[in-house]
Amino acid sequence: EPEVTQTPSHQVTQMGQEVILRCVPISNHLYFYWYRQILGQKVEFLVSFYNNEISEKSEIFDDQFSVERPDGSNFTLKIRSTKLEDSAMYFCASSEDLGGYTFGSGTRLTVV
Amino acid sequence: GENVEQHPSTLSVQEGDSAVIKCTYSDSASNYFPWYKQELGKGPQLIIDIRSNVGEKKDQRIAVTLNKTAKHFSLHITETQPEDSAVYFCAASISGNQFYFGTGTSLTVIP
Repeated sequence: EPEVTQTPSHQVTQMGQEVILRCVPISNHLYFYWYRQILGQKVEFLVSFYNNEISEKSEIFDDQFSVERPDGSNFTLKIRSTKLEDSAMYFCASSEDLGGYTFGSGTRLTVV
Repeated sequence: GENVEQHPSTLSVQEGDSAVIKCTYSDSASNYFPWYKQELGKGPQLIIDIRSNVGEKKDQRIAVTLNKTAKHFSLHITETQPEDSAVYFCAASISGNQFYFGTGTSLTVIP
């Protein structure tokens, strides 16, 4: 069964550093998403991406965050100048059309 | 914005019994309601979904019901098995683009 692949599975970074989280969506999917889950809290929407541009973003997705599809297969989330409160599980997802996503296994980001 | 509440937060059932997880939503414009199962160390996996033009949907041992008037929807798992043990999340969406998730239910099926 096709999968969404995320790397790395765990990233530790120092406060103030930039991190890039990587995702390979399912190849025929057109919609791409990033969500995050802070420990013990809800899974929260960050951003959706379609046709090479952001289609929706939440209040969480401020200037600190950016997304990119640098080639035909990768979808990245960049966090500039990380803060302690950015520590969370970050999930990438993709879908063929609007509706049921396929999620990746997530990247656990720890900011120290 | 949309607010999704989910209950219970933990649920233990004996193998073979049924499990029911309930969610409520606040925005009557929501029209798509997926349910996800998350096993340890893995991402959420879609198990069933329902759209607002349908009141009930069933897939083998799993069923979802939707009451648009009351703004609540439920997941029903019958004949539970130990491999059903996981965290289950409900979600609601208006556009199909952005999902609002519940807080999750940790289901334990006792052999």
